[in-house]
Amino acid sequence: NAGVTQTPKFQVLKTGQSMTLQCAQDMNHNSMYWYRQDPGMGLRLIYYSASEGTTDKGEVPNGYNVSRLNKREFSLRLESAAPSQTSVYFCASSVNTEAFFGQGTRLTVV
Amino acid sequence: DAKTTQPPSMDCAEGRAANLPCNHSTISGNEYVYWYRQIHSQGPQYIIHGLKNNETNEMASLIITEDRKSSTLILPHATLRDTAVYYCIVRVANWAGGFKTIFGAGTRLFVKA
Repeated sequence: NAGVTQTPKFQVLKTGQSMTLQCAQDMNHNSMYWYRQDPGMGLRLIYYSASEGTTDKGEVPNGYNVSRLNKREFSLRLESAAPSQTSVYFCASSVNTEAFFGQGTRLTVV
Repeated sequence: DAKTTQPPSMDCAEGRAANLPCNHSTISGNEYVYWYRQIHSQGPQYIIHGLKNNETNEMASLIITEDRKSSTLILPHATLRDTAVYYCIVRVANWAGGFKTIFGAGTRLFVKA
């Protein structure tokens, strides 16, 4: 039981490049989330998925797209990366009263 | 979800109790108080949650005032490994409904030897 697994752990992109951050959970949770965390700040919700086949915008969705591929996987895509998207990205899944977080993807856009 | 207010930082001596306050004056009747912590740059870790009664588990105790407008997380015997950012969150209990959750800046707790 690995919990929430994110790949990659680190990534450097050039401005304008695209990439997809992968997230998978093995706890059979319905809800999954993507957050970003900028230095010295809390986590801000980018997108979430209440169940397989549904996605909704969070606080800061601009510049991102998501796909809930199946119940296990929820990916985050940057179509044209910008320096403002340099951040640490966390994926989470939840059931009932608790949410579980991955270890994060540290993304730098130069 | 109701907003919360926490001090930006606190210090605590190793072995002593760490008391982390949180104000949530706009909390609704069906909203719970949750605490998470984030050690260094790892993913946030669940600590405890409660509605109106005080709660205790192996990690911490949660004291909620009678009017529910504030609460205190207590780490009874803080260790150096408890140095982290602690987030107080107020929201409905059911995370599975896909509700948004806003994490603020939290309280940075420094446990000193």
